[in-house]
This record gives sequence, structure tokens and C-alpha cells, in this order.
Amino acid sequence: EAQLLESGGGLVQPGGSLRLSCAASGFTFSNYAMSWARQAPGKGLEWVSTISGSGDSTFYADSVKGRFTISRDNSKNTLYLQMSSLRADDTAVYYCAKQTTGSTGWFDPWGQGTLVTVSS
Amino acid sequence: QLVLTQSPSASASLGASVKLTCTLSSGLSNYAIAWHQQQPEKGPRYLMKLNSDGSHTKGDGIPDRFSGSSSGAERYLTISSLQSEDEADYYCQTWGTGIQVFGGGTKLTVL
Repeated sequence: EAQLLESGGGLVQPGGSLRLSCAASGFTFSNYAMSWARQAPGKGLEWVSTISGSGDSTFYADSVKGRFTISRDNSKNTLYLQMSSLRADDTAVYYCAKQTTGSTGWFDPWGQGTLVTVSS
Repeated sequence: QLVLTQSPSASASLGASVKLTCTLSSGLSNYAIAWHQQQPEKGPRYLMKLNSDGSHTKGDGIPDRFSGSSSGAERYLTISSLQSEDEADYYCQTWGTGIQVFGGGTKLTVL
């Protein structure tokens, strides 16, 4: 059974940086694209970023382009999201998700999420 | 442009059925979507992938009470024999090369 466990969330000041991690187990990690999505308090789901299984291709939502960097270490079965120049509107629960092919597809499963709060 | 539209809320009585709708933007009637359930204070859970012809592939452990269907640009999620634990937010998702899109979600209240 595929499982995902996020970590690294916390309180950070505006303009600061934070790195999220997502530990994967139960599947061949390098075979699947992985994504980050987020959910601001009381709001819906928003896609943030995707990385292909090989790590060669990365994609970002316009709202985070130039500030966030997605990466993966296939030897450690771990996905990362480096967030910089953080703003108050980046406050959200961040979820990692496995996609269904090496390049795209829907999300299954999702992690349980990690909360990022950007505030002074 | 990939846009998914969902009604913000729906309600139905315990034991009844409800049909939730996700509408694809113009010209995208051949796109597949996925339905996800998010119970209060929990992360989302994959329910099913739904194709334009109405065929669907459910996630592990998803009860038979959950089914999907399609008509044109509309994608439906039907939940029958509603139970209290079905009270949740339901999101549709579609995807393209390098992009993922979610609908705004429908909050289902079980009366």
C-alpha cells in the first residue's frame, strides 16, 4: 500500500524560507510523478507543483513560480518543496500526492498534510 | 483553459442518494477527471477516476455506494444510501501536460 508522510511545516516570518519533505513507501518511487498541493484555511485545494518520476521535468503554478522549487531524491524515496520569499497568502496545509504515471495523471494517494503558517 | 466548476454546496437526507456535478470548461468534454473526498479535519482521499464515456476506476476500499457517470462536459458523482460519514467536501480534478486543476469543491451536508 502506497503511503506518504509530510514533514517540515511550521511558523515562518514573511520573506522567510522553509523546506517541506514527503517520505514515500509502498511503491517504486522513481516510477511516478509526484506533486504538492495546498489548502488555505477554509478554502479549496490548489495545485502547487509537479515533478516527473526521473526528476527531469518540473512544473509550477503561477502563484509560486520563481519562489518555490520542487525536487526529489529517488535513492531516499523522498520528495521536497523548497519555499522561499514566503508571503502571508502561502499559509496553508501542504499535501504531497503520488500521481498515476511517470509524468502526469491524477492524485492517489495523498499524504496527511503539514501546516505552514507565514506570519510575523 | 482548464477550468472545473462545482456547486459550492449540496444536501440530502440520511439513507437517500445525491448526485454531485463537476463541469469541464468549453471544448474539454473528452477529458477524464478524478473525484476526491475530504472529510472534516482530514486529508483528501481518492475516490475514482471518471472517463468521458462514464467508465470509472475506483480507489481501494471505496464502497459500491459511490459511482460515477458522464454526459458531455458534465461529470457526476452519485452517492447512494447516504451515511453520516459521507458528510464531507468533494473535489474534482483534471490534468494536462504540466498542469493540475481542481474544482472549487462541493460541501455535502447529510441531513
